[in-house]
Amino acid sequence: AQRVTQPEKLLSVFKGAPVELKCNYSYSGSPELFWYVQYSRQRLQLLLRHISRESIKGFTADLNKGETSFHLKKPFAQEEDSAMYYCALSLGGKLIFGQGTELSVKP
Amino acid sequence: DTAVSQTPKYLVTQMGNDKSIKCEQNLGHDTMYWYKQDSKKFLKIMFSYNNKELIINETVPNRFSPKSPDKAHLNLHINSLELGDSAVYFCASSQAGRSSYEQYFGPGTRLTVT
Repeated sequence: AQRVTQPEKLLSVFKGAPVELKCNYSYSGSPELFWYVQYSRQRLQLLLRHISRESIKGFTADLNKGETSFHLKKPFAQEEDSAMYYCALSLGGKLIFGQGTELSVKP
Repeated sequence: DTAVSQTPKYLVTQMGNDKSIKCEQNLGHDTMYWYKQDSKKFLKIMFSYNNKELIINETVPNRFSPKSPDKAHLNLHINSLELGDSAVYFCASSQAGRSSYEQYFGPGTRLTVT
């Protein structure tokens, strides 16, 4: 079955430290993967998509088909990055979300 | 200019009651969704409508009935509310065929059933 797994429920780092939020997927076809972010008291919004290979707010994510992963990375975390991050797989017009990882960046 | 709006923002009600949550989008999208976020922050799709037609209906109890009067609105009616229905419900919209995976979310409705 198609599934998205984010193994870390909570990730806590200090400001300026590198951060990697893990995402693994289970899908036999060619995946369309995304990262969504939910800042405190704000709505869920798209952060980035694998197909565009872009960097948004310093975050990047590379699709690794061999490892079926789409980890989100940032070399230097900022306090304003503290939020809930969701990895999502687009499938048949719907998004299948991972469990979410709460990122806490401490000063 | 709110793109996807939901009302109410908070809803507290007793078991057995019937309640509705409304959603409206002004983005001109043709597809709308309802998601449920449980207490562990897990997000799961419930329904999707495209041009007022139901296209996705995940395993959701019959007590939940979505209604789309037009492309810009997707309401969620819940009958005989149960404690387990307590959650945050998110509405979202997208344009099928063009960046259909980019969904725009509403602010959420926090439903508490007592």
